[in-house]
Amino acid sequence: NAGVTQTPKFQVLKTGQSMTLQCAQDMNHNSMYWYRQDPGMGLRLIYYSASEGTTDKGEVPNGYNVSRLNKREFSLRLESAAPSQTSVYFCASSERAGASGDGKNIQYFGAGTRLSVL
Amino acid sequence: RKEVEQDPGPFNVPEGATVAFNCTYSNSASQSFFWYRQDCRKEPKLLMSVYSSGNEDGRFTAQLNRASQYISLLIRDSKLSDSATYLCVVNQAGTALIFGKGTTLSVSS
Repeated sequence: NAGVTQTPKFQVLKTGQSMTLQCAQDMNHNSMYWYRQDPGMGLRLIYYSASEGTTDKGEVPNGYNVSRLNKREFSLRLESAAPSQTSVYFCASSERAGASGDGKNIQYFGAGTRLSVL
Repeated sequence: RKEVEQDPGPFNVPEGATVAFNCTYSNSASQSFFWYRQDCRKEPKLLMSVYSSGNEDGRFTAQLNRASQYISLLIRDSKLSDSATYLCVVNQAGTALIFGKGTTLSVSS
């Protein structure tokens, strides 16, 4: 029962370096999400993919790019890391996105990636 | 007005106490409501969905008041293991869920 798997768990970057955060889910979910969580700010949506082949911006997309590689995998790329991107990043998935009273939009989270940019 | 607002706390209660958290949301068209629990340095996990008629899961009771746009979570007979941050979550029209910043609960013996 792996659920949502994120790699790496920890990463330290220097300003200007690039990296890709990986996320994979084995629940056959259609929708996947990337969030960042900062002290006092709560969870903020960076990008999401409602279905394979689509991606959309969330609340804080600047400085990030995403790729929905296939139904299972959704990666987040930092092209030129900045100290402001120091955060905990969570990937999540749900059976589908959108308003729903049937529980199909419940999101399940990975364990997170703790990223420090120096 | 923020979309989902919660009192950050912390709420410090003794074991066995009853504690209640409230949350207000701004989008009257919201249709899905949840409480998530997040332990320190861990990922958020679904605690329970919130239904219009109210629902109970063991010691936890969730209520929804659409007219006033608030959601509540009641925890009875608090346990040490209930210590965590509780996130109020509401769907946004479209595809995104909006998370509150969370209410921190500390249960002591």
